[in-house]
Amino acid sequence: DAKTTQPPSMDCAEGRAANLPCNHSTISGNEYVYWYRQIHSQGPQYIIHGLKNNETNEMASLIITEDRKSSTLILPHATLRDTAVYYCIVRVRGGSQGNLIFGKGTKLSVKP
Amino acid sequence: NAGVTQTPKFQVLKTGQSMTLQCAQDMNHNSMYWYRQDPGMGLRLIYYSASEGTTDKGEVPNGYNVSRLNKREFSLRLESAAPSQTSVYFCASSEGWGWETEAFFGQGTRLTVV
Repeated sequence: DAKTTQPPSMDCAEGRAANLPCNHSTISGNEYVYWYRQIHSQGPQYIIHGLKNNETNEMASLIITEDRKSSTLILPHATLRDTAVYYCIVRVRGGSQGNLIFGKGTKLSVKP
Repeated sequence: NAGVTQTPKFQVLKTGQSMTLQCAQDMNHNSMYWYRQDPGMGLRLIYYSASEGTTDKGEVPNGYNVSRLNKREFSLRLESAAPSQTSVYFCASSEGWGWETEAFFGQGTRLTVV
């Protein structure tokens, strides 16, 4: 699986957009970009995933660059409840490998 | 809708004791996983089960065994607990194999081995 690089921490003001970057320069053509988050002491929660087109759902938007070597997760109006560790993961969709690998992620702190 | 349920939520063991962590999902998912999470680290995969009747090792399987009891249940056993196994354990499930679909996680079991 392609490796990902994320900043260890970021701050965001409440009500502003939070933009979380992820580099995945070795991504291959059949690998998807997934985002999960983990709020303190809870299990990880799925946010969004995409292949090459930008994606949006009720939680967030995912912007993937044209060369697919990086992506940005956007929380359009961050709230205090969005304070969490955010994980960017690159994986083959439906692949035979079972290893679902989480890195250290980005700790997002939303401040009043 | 309960999703993924783990029991117990907290456990303290003495070195050498054994125990089984239970996990059940009510979403009719095919695949189930066990992770551990240590302070300052991401999640590491211990074992997974792609479908009922199959199990495979993940990244850190040593010291653990698993059983896919049926489609709903996937248990993790520590035969002889060691302090290095002090961690938070998460069970997860997904409808599709691997990352075909999103994974749902339980709330975790906080295990301390003294």
